[in-house]
Amino acid sequence: DTGVSQDPRHKITKRGQNVTFRCDPISEHNRLYWYRQTLGQGPEFLTYFQNEAQLEKSRLLSDRFSAERPKGSFSTLEIQRTEQGDSAMYLCASSPGSSANIQYFGAGTRLSVL
Amino acid sequence: GEDVEQSLFLSVREGDSSVINCTYTDSSSTYLYWYKQEPGAGLQLLTYIFSNMDMKQDQRLTVLLNKKDKHLSLRIADTQTGDSAIYFCAETSNRDDKIIFGKGTRLHILP
Repeated sequence: DTGVSQDPRHKITKRGQNVTFRCDPISEHNRLYWYRQTLGQGPEFLTYFQNEAQLEKSRLLSDRFSAERPKGSFSTLEIQRTEQGDSAMYLCASSPGSSANIQYFGAGTRLSVL
Repeated sequence: GEDVEQSLFLSVREGDSSVINCTYTDSSSTYLYWYKQEPGAGLQLLTYIFSNMDMKQDQRLTVLLNKKDKHLSLRIADTQTGDSAIYFCAETSNRDDKIIFGKGTRLHILP
């Protein structure tokens, strides 16, 4: 499978714990995006990378959230001191970064904070 | 800011055509998309249209774009039970690279 891969698919955690999600983009896609989707809503942009550089961060991304893409390939999204309001589906997408910059999504990581 | 609006529900009989409508506000939109999401799954890119086009057809799917009215529609011909899902209208602009999504239209197929 050469699509966008996300791990884990589901994560249940207690409030106050830290969690980390991983995203592996489509090979040779140099742009990688993180979105968050809550129940009944469309996905909302969080941040994106061009290779290893983080180019934009949404105001939704509080100080408890950090994303990295150290070698310009896979990315991690960490949430520290999780809150119940962090419960959502976290979606990763990648794109070639060319003029036809179409984004392809992974299956997502569903986070439940108890 | 940019906004994408779409109706929340649509019910269609199996075999009929489904038409899902969307409006957007960003006049600098470059690409407009339709994504499909099945329960508990990620987003599947169905089709997209560049802003200088007014129509795109791909098998059972027809996308119509009225740029003047900022209106996008997705027509699914011969709707089948496997088409039951949430359909998201979305757009990107040439200002930045993020996708702005609507809230999604839940398509329900009646037998």
